[in-house]
Amino acid sequence: AQSVAQPEDQVNVAEGNPLTVKCTYSVSGNPYLFWYVQYPNRGLQFLLKYITGDNLVKGSYGFEAEFNKSQTSFHLKKPSALVSDSALYFCAVRDMIKSDKLIFGTGTRLQVFP
Amino acid sequence: DGGITQSPKYLFRKEGQNVTLSCEQNLNHDAMYWYRQDPGQGLRLIYYSQIVNDFQKGDIAEGYSVSREKKESFPLTVTSAQKNPTAFYLCASSIVPSGVTDTQYFGPGTRLTVL
Repeated sequence: AQSVAQPEDQVNVAEGNPLTVKCTYSVSGNPYLFWYVQYPNRGLQFLLKYITGDNLVKGSYGFEAEFNKSQTSFHLKKPSALVSDSALYFCAVRDMIKSDKLIFGTGTRLQVFP
Repeated sequence: DGGITQSPKYLFRKEGQNVTLSCEQNLNHDAMYWYRQDPGQGLRLIYYSQIVNDFQKGDIAEGYSVSREKKESFPLTVTSAQKNPTAFYLCASSIVPSGVTDTQYFGPGTRLTVL
């Protein structure tokens, strides 16, 4: 079955420290992967996506994600966290059977402390 | 939140009532989607539409209905048959139907509470 897993419900990091939000996936064929961020009572904002090419994808607000095919992972990273990065982060993968669909993870809450 | 608007932002409904959530986009996108978000469960697809006058059920379509009479509009009706309708509802759109690399863009959401 196709799926996305975000193993951490919450990640805590001090401001200025690097952050990583983890995502692993299971799909048939080549994966198309996405990261979104959600601030309280708001819709999801697109951060970045991996389609093909370089394994390191750069996105909005200084975020980047590293695609690792052997580990079936697509972890979101930022070199220096800001308090304003505190939000809910979702990883998603394109459903390769019903290609209209995105399969979302359950989300990881990032808390950045001053 | 781009060019996708959802209204109202908050909605309260009594049990047994139908209610319609609005979603409008001015992005000229062909495809539109409705998701339901519950705490700890991520997003689940309710319905989606690739073109005008056509739509397909998602994973949790029971108790919901949609229409797509215009390209820019995709309203969702939560019927009295939906047993647990209290949730945050998100509308999204994307440029190309069935575009595997296509990004979905989301509206600001409507929070529905059943009293």
